[in-house]
Amino acid sequence: AQSVTQLGSHVSVSEGALVLLRCNYSSSVPPYLFWYVQYPNQGLQLLLKYTTGATLVKGINGFEAEFKKSETSFHLTKPSAHMSDAAEYFCAFSGSARQLTFGSGTQLTVLP
Amino acid sequence: SQTIHQWPATLVQPVGSPLSLECTVEGTSNPNLYWYRQAAGRGLQLLFYSVGIGQISSEVPQNLSASRPQDRQFILSSKKLLLSDSGFYLCAYQPALLRETQYFGPGTRLLVL
Repeated sequence: AQSVTQLGSHVSVSEGALVLLRCNYSSSVPPYLFWYVQYPNQGLQLLLKYTTGATLVKGINGFEAEFKKSETSFHLTKPSAHMSDAAEYFCAFSGSARQLTFGSGTQLTVLP
Repeated sequence: SQTIHQWPATLVQPVGSPLSLECTVEGTSNPNLYWYRQAAGRGLQLLFYSVGIGQISSEVPQNLSASRPQDRQFILSSKKLLLSDSGFYLCAYQPALLRETQYFGPGTRLLVL
């Protein structure tokens, strides 16, 4: 069965510090992997995705993620947090390209 | 460019009343369409998806239904709302040329009282 696990339902970082949000997946087929961001009372916005090719993927707002097959991970990072990064982040997996399996989400708080 | 609309943005309904939420997509043909629900403090739950007009797949048995009367229109309905139907409803689409990626609408906040 396919699954996505996000470690840490809440993460707090200081402004200017490194952001690291963890995502691990379980799948028997090559994955498509996604990170979405959700601001309060808004829909999900695609941050970045991995389908094939380069394993280091760059997205919007300075975020990037690295697909590590050996570790079945797709962690999201940003070198320097901004106050505007405070939001909920969802990792998602697709094996069939038709349906997404979402992680439970990580609420990111940025402290001044 | 492609866009997705949902309305209404917010809805307050009494228990037992009917429901109709609408989602429309612009700028792409033959999209796959999805309805998700996000309950307070919980993740996303896939409710329905559609790969074409009149083709609906249900993921969770409940008192909700979905219809796709036109290629780029997706409707979520209920005949009688329950308290447990409260939540944030999100519509998403997969473009025909980028089948692996889903793009989400702005959502509808539903409160059933």
